[in-house]
Amino acid sequence: EDQVTQSPEALRLQEGESSSLNCSYTVSGLRGLFWYRQDPGKGPEFLFTLYSAGEEKEKERLKATLTKKESFLHITAPKPEDSATYLCAVQVLKETSGSRLTFGEGTQLTVNP
Amino acid sequence: NAGVTQTPKFQVLKTGQSMTLQCAQDMNHEYMSWYRQDPGMGLRLIHYSVGAGITDQGEVPNGYNVSRSTTEDFPLRLLSAAPSQTSVYFCASSSDRGYGYTFGSGTRLTVV
Repeated sequence: EDQVTQSPEALRLQEGESSSLNCSYTVSGLRGLFWYRQDPGKGPEFLFTLYSAGEEKEKERLKATLTKKESFLHITAPKPEDSATYLCAVQVLKETSGSRLTFGEGTQLTVNP
Repeated sequence: NAGVTQTPKFQVLKTGQSMTLQCAQDMNHEYMSWYRQDPGMGLRLIHYSVGAGITDQGEVPNGYNVSRSTTEDFPLRLLSAAPSQTSVYFCASSSDRGYGYTFGSGTRLTVV
């Protein structure tokens, strides 16, 4: 069974204090790993897709990396507007599963000014 | 560019009632999905579609029906609402299975 585990469940940072969020996964064959940001009362907003171990992607203060067992979302010098829940999801290679995503439960990030 | 539009935004149903949650996208995406989001359980896939006329079950399909008669629309039907279906429902679409999904803003459903 495909599993995605995110840690920590919640993280509080001071503005400017860099940190990382973790997403570990167990799947039969990874097609892609996705990171989303979700603000309260809104739908998830797509951030990155990573396809193979060693791949890295960046967007403003965020950098996502991928290994064969986990992905990290590094947040450099965060600002209060980075406060949100960050979701990780995997897509597997099974043809019968089509385009389905399996999500982790998310990390709730709070950045204090 | 509207993206993915879900209606209604809020709904209260009585146990046993039926209703349809609407989802429409204007990006000509082939792939569409319905998820429910519950505290402590994350987002779970209900049903998905890989093109008009093609649908399949996800992780938690019981009590829900879908159809895909056009590329743009992917409605979710609750056959006989139960309190366990109280949740936030999200519709999402993508141009290809390897690409990021665009999510709608959600429908908050309460079944009493």
